[in-house]
Amino acid sequence: DVKVTQSSRYLVKRTGEKVFLECVQDMDHENMFWYRQDPGLGLRLIYFSYDVKMKEKGDIPEGYSVSREKKERFSLILESASTNQTSMYLCASSLSTWSSGSYNEQFFGPGTRLTVL
Amino acid sequence: QQPVQSPQAVILREGEDAVINCSSSKALYSVHWYRQKHGEAPVFLMILLKGGEQKGHEKISASFNEKKQQSSLYLTASQLSYSGTYFCGTEKGAQKLVFGQGTRLTINP
Repeated sequence: DVKVTQSSRYLVKRTGEKVFLECVQDMDHENMFWYRQDPGLGLRLIYFSYDVKMKEKGDIPEGYSVSREKKERFSLILESASTNQTSMYLCASSLSTWSSGSYNEQFFGPGTRLTVL
Repeated sequence: QQPVQSPQAVILREGEDAVINCSSSKALYSVHWYRQKHGEAPVFLMILLKGGEQKGHEKISASFNEKKQQSSLYLTASQLSYSGTYFCGTEKGAQKLVFGQGTRLTINP
């Protein structure tokens, strides 16, 4: 089974702090994603990576950056945390459609609930 | 643009049926459905492809109307384990999905 793990289930940070959220997948997936989940808004894509060192902005990238130095690891960085970044953050991975030739489901991690005070 | 799901929430008794709809303002090539149980990660249920191919869950069915740009998820004879929030996802460029706001389904005994 694919396993996507996230470094913390709960995190509390102060305004202005630099925050790192880590995600690791163990199935050699090319694609990795960071989403933010807020009530009534569903899952919104922050950033997407389709290969090591490759990234694309999602729908809400402002205030975030990402890093993918190794295929299995995708990090989300909040350079200067603000209270409006309090949310649930979900990481996901999938096989590349280009390499597999079919549409592939995304496998999600358990999420990190971040509170910024 | 984010697809719109309806209803936003539904409460059923065990054994009743439910339909969850997902509509898009853009042409659809595929629709993904996921379920998230409380406190857990979203889990893939099924994908519907343009042309009718479907891959997914054994006890939940879905339809995909390309012309109307919508998909519907059918849960028949609902079980307690069906409770959760259901999300549809539509393609936004290669590899990426844009998800609806979710439909919360509560099944009571």
